[in-house]
Parts: sequence; structure tokens; C-alpha cells
Amino acid sequence: GAGVSQSPSNKVTEKGKDVELRCDPISGHTALYWYRQSLGQGLEFLIYFQGNSAPDKSGLPSDRFSAERTGGSVSTLTIQRTQQEDSAVYLCASSFTLNTEAFFGQGTRLTVV
Amino acid sequence: AQSVTQLDSQVPVFEEAPVELRCNYSSSVSVYLFWYVQYPNQGLQLLLKYLSGSTLVESINGFEAEFNKSQTSFHLRKPSVHISDTAEYFCAVSEGQGGKLIFGQGTELSVKP
Repeated sequence: GAGVSQSPSNKVTEKGKDVELRCDPISGHTALYWYRQSLGQGLEFLIYFQGNSAPDKSGLPSDRFSAERTGGSVSTLTIQRTQQEDSAVYLCASSFTLNTEAFFGQGTRLTVV
Repeated sequence: AQSVTQLDSQVPVFEEAPVELRCNYSSSVSVYLFWYVQYPNQGLQLLLKYLSGSTLVESINGFEAEFNKSQTSFHLRKPSVHISDTAEYFCAVSEGQGGKLIFGQGTELSVKP
């Protein structure tokens, strides 16, 4: 596609439920990143992929968070047993290679009620 | 560990006035530096970047930033702002290994007529 596409754009979920957030990177981009943007925390790095591998998962806030990438393309960020503090905008970005310009998607606004 | 400090959370300024948004970083290794902009209800966009070479980098819409290694700063400047520059501006640093960006807390630039 022309840009990084994230779905859904908005998600409201009940506390304790699992959610999946999807990211479609720009075609041909090998690197993919997940960030979280929340009030009071700013923009936090969560995880990145080079191809299908995730060399750096250091930003995942807890073991309730996981992510995978298949076929070197689509990535899914899964949050299990959601908590209210998980409410945030989850941003995905991709780049042609590591250290080249990262293009961001519009984000998924997650609200846990 | 890397960190980025944006010293001003909000900067109100009148149209056609000059503006400087301050950014300081800490890192023990060479870094790449970025400014991203987020216009209201839009995603993050790269404004400008410093990778190597000339320490003064410019954007197409009149912003410039200067990498100062001795002061570990990368302040963003524009000599004359427009109403359309109203947005949130994020400074970010990458060590170039893994490509992950560490963001500052953001500076909200509000340009008034």
C-alpha cells in the first residue's frame, strides 16, 4: 500500500479481554516498529522486527504483551488480559532497512473500560 | 542508556515570530537525531534528521536544526512561524543499532494570529 496501515483505528475493550492490533507496513520495508503513545508517558518504544525476527523486545511493558510478524510483512501486537493502564494510541512504523527513515501509521486508539 | 529531554512542554508564539524548540540528549555512543511533527489528528511525520556530515540540517518548510555534539543538543528553529506550524514536535535519538527511536516528551507549538 501507499503508507503504513493500522487496524482497527479505534478499539474499546473491557478490562480482562484480549486484543489484537494489526499493522500493514509499506511494501518492501524490512524493518517494522511498534510504539505506544499515552498521556504522561509520551512515545515509548515497544518492539521492532527485522524481517520476521524481533531482536529487541526490551520495550514490552509486561508478559501480557506479545508481537509477531509473518512473511516479512504484516505484524500483530497482542495484549492479553487488558488493563486500564493499557489505554493508549499504539503506533506502528516501517522502514526500508534499519536506520533509514521510518514512516508511521495513523495508530490504533485503544480504550480499556 | 539513551534519553531525550525536550525542555518545553508548550511553546505559544505569535505568527511571524521566531521560535526555538529545545532538545537535549544523552548517549554514550554516536547517535542519529530526528525531529518528528504530529499535526492535529494526524500521524507522526519526519521533519528533519541528522545522520552525519553538516551539523545544520533543514526541512522543506523552513525549519532547521543544528547538531551540537559538545552540548549534546539538537534544537529546532524557524525564523518566522505560520499558523499552520501549530502541532506537536518530537525530538528523537537512535544509536543506529536496531533503529529504535527514543523520543522526548514532545513540545506543543501553538501559533497565534
